[in-house]
This record gives sequence, structure tokens and C-alpha cells, in this order.
Amino acid sequence: IQLTQSPSSLSASVGDRVTITCRASQGISSYLAWYQQKPGKAPKLLIYAASTLQSGVPSRFSGSGSGTDFTLTISSLQPEDFATYYCQQLNSYPPFTFGPGTKVDIK
Amino acid sequence: EVQLVESGGGLVQPGGSLRLSCAASGFTFSSYAMHWVRQAPGKGLEYVSAISSNGGSTYYANSVKGRFTISRDNSKNTLYLQMGSLRAEDMAVYYCAREGIGSSGFDYWGQGTLVTVSS
Repeated sequence: IQLTQSPSSLSASVGDRVTITCRASQGISSYLAWYQQKPGKAPKLLIYAASTLQSGVPSRFSGSGSGTDFTLTISSLQPEDFATYYCQQLNSYPPFTFGPGTKVDIK
Repeated sequence: EVQLVESGGGLVQPGGSLRLSCAASGFTFSSYAMHWVRQAPGKGLEYVSAISSNGGSTYYANSVKGRFTISRDNSKNTLYLQMGSLRAEDMAVYYCAREGIGSSGFDYWGQGTLVTVSS
């Protein structure tokens, strides 16, 4: 199963609403996770099962979708949210492939 | 507190071998599937290998199949990745990660260990 993400990068301002899309090459039900990675750090799980917020993750992050099309939304971008975001499918075991990533930087 | 601590990375010549370790603490290690994920410099995340909770099932990406071996010692709460016939394209930060219950994502990651392949 291949994953694509769009856009590959975006520039946004603090307070902006940001939407990142992940598309799977075949249906994966809701077996999709989103991660945030900052430079030099390990990825951090934000959302699993397409829309379930991981414990401790701010509520400005949300996920939606099922089947092949998924979305990660940041409702009001904060300075600490500038990072690279990856989707991952966990439908077929394994491999649990990752998307190519979306870099969010400051406009 | 859940912790995953990788070790064993370093500089190795092309064709050489290296064994990575991932020491787990703060949870019942034997109850969780574990994974290795790598990230080449400036690149995205690449899924490398997986092992079931009891070690009975393993998986390898095509890029490492036949060269890498994943294993675990549940008595020592440690995950391993034996890497052989290393190539320049294997150079990356290697992360171990815990798979959450019910395939709920990789909920804990180690800090990563850098493998450099160079003559």
C-alpha cells in the first residue's frame, strides 16, 4: 500500500488553519496514524485510527477520513507546530508504510 | 514511564556489520510488537522491520531482506537489529518503536541511533 501526501510543504502563519491530506493506494478502513516530527527528534504520535487523538495531544489537532482519503487539520497553528507531518497506514501487517511527509514552516 | 533507548550505532565500512539494541522499560515488553524505522539524512521515514510480541513473526522491507535480522529477548526487555552487508544507502538514524495495542500507531519511540556507512 502506497501513501501520498499533499502538499509536500506549506508556509503558514500563527493562527492559521492548516489541512494536510493523505491518500492511500487502496482502502485501509480507518487504520491511519499521523505523526509530528521536529528536527533532530523522534516522531510523535498525534492521531491514530484516523481520528482518535493520542493522549496529551492538543485538541487543535484533528483527523478525519476512511478508506483511501484522510485529512489532518490544525485548527489554529501555534509556534510549536512548525514541523514535518507524516501519515502511516496500519491496515496491512506489515509493512506499515509512511507517507513522504509534509513540512509546515513559517510564512 | 515508558522508555526506549537505542544503542549500537556508529561508523562502519561498506560490507560491514553492526548490531543495534533497543532497551525497553516502563511497560510489559513481552506484550507488544516492536518495529525498526529509519531515516536517512534529510529524508522521510522508512519502515524497516517488525517483530511480533513473542518473536514468532518477523517482517523485513525489501531493501534490507536477507541482510538484516530482527530479534528480541523478552527476558531482557531488549529488541535487536543485526545489520550485515551494509551499504551507503543504509546510512540513517534508526529508531525503535512500540506498536500500540490494536495497531493504534507507534505510540513510543526511542531517541534514535545513527548508523554511518563509509570507508
